[in-house]
Amino acid sequence: QKEVEQDPGPLSVPEGAIVSLNCTYSNSAFQYFMWYRQYSRKGPELLMYTYSSGNKEDGRFTAQVDKSSKYISLFIRDSQPSDSATYLCAMKGFNKFYFGSGTKLNVKP
Amino acid sequence: DAGVIQSPRHEVTEMGQEVTLRCKPISGHDYLFWYRQTMMRGLELLIYFNNNVPIDDSGMPEDRFSAKMPNASFSTLKIQPSEPRDSAVYFCASNTGDGKNYGYTFGSGTRLTVV
Repeated sequence: QKEVEQDPGPLSVPEGAIVSLNCTYSNSAFQYFMWYRQYSRKGPELLMYTYSSGNKEDGRFTAQVDKSSKYISLFIRDSQPSDSATYLCAMKGFNKFYFGSGTKLNVKP
Repeated sequence: DAGVIQSPRHEVTEMGQEVTLRCKPISGHDYLFWYRQTMMRGLELLIYFNNNVPIDDSGMPEDRFSAKMPNASFSTLKIQPSEPRDSAVYFCASNTGDGKNYGYTFGSGTRLTVV
């Protein structure tokens, strides 16, 4: 079983839609949870991080962690074409990060 | 800060040739990571260094791969001899281990094609 599972998509939505991206994980020791955004032919860039369970909001983005279910989510409100990218979840072990395979998102104008 | 700098951006080489990828981490970052990304396997950690010392190289696929970090501002990943299945995007990333930075900063990657 992989440490982190993520639906690869692709996910196609109209502009303005609410997007929900999700990951599940198997290691209950993970404490730090991150979302990276990767544009085509670019390196991943850190979008949001959360510690332990709970929600964190940053503008149109909300990250949610449910440690009891080993499930994390990223919500994007009022999605824009510029949000079109691959979104990777990541979790931190002992200074090692475990990445999901990424979900490709396409926001259509 | 210029971020993590990788070179070359693209590399096309013939099977059997030696390939060297280069990375300059962000100044002050004491951890450096080499990742490989493919469509099939996603992001795979190959090796990481702390204060120039290799800590975990369990992700290095085989002896054809080697990595060095001779000083805090430079690292190389070498493949010798290269094979077509090594074709991928190789990323270098760095961060600090002080607990305040929970994420990596990635370079733009080197797209390697072995023909």
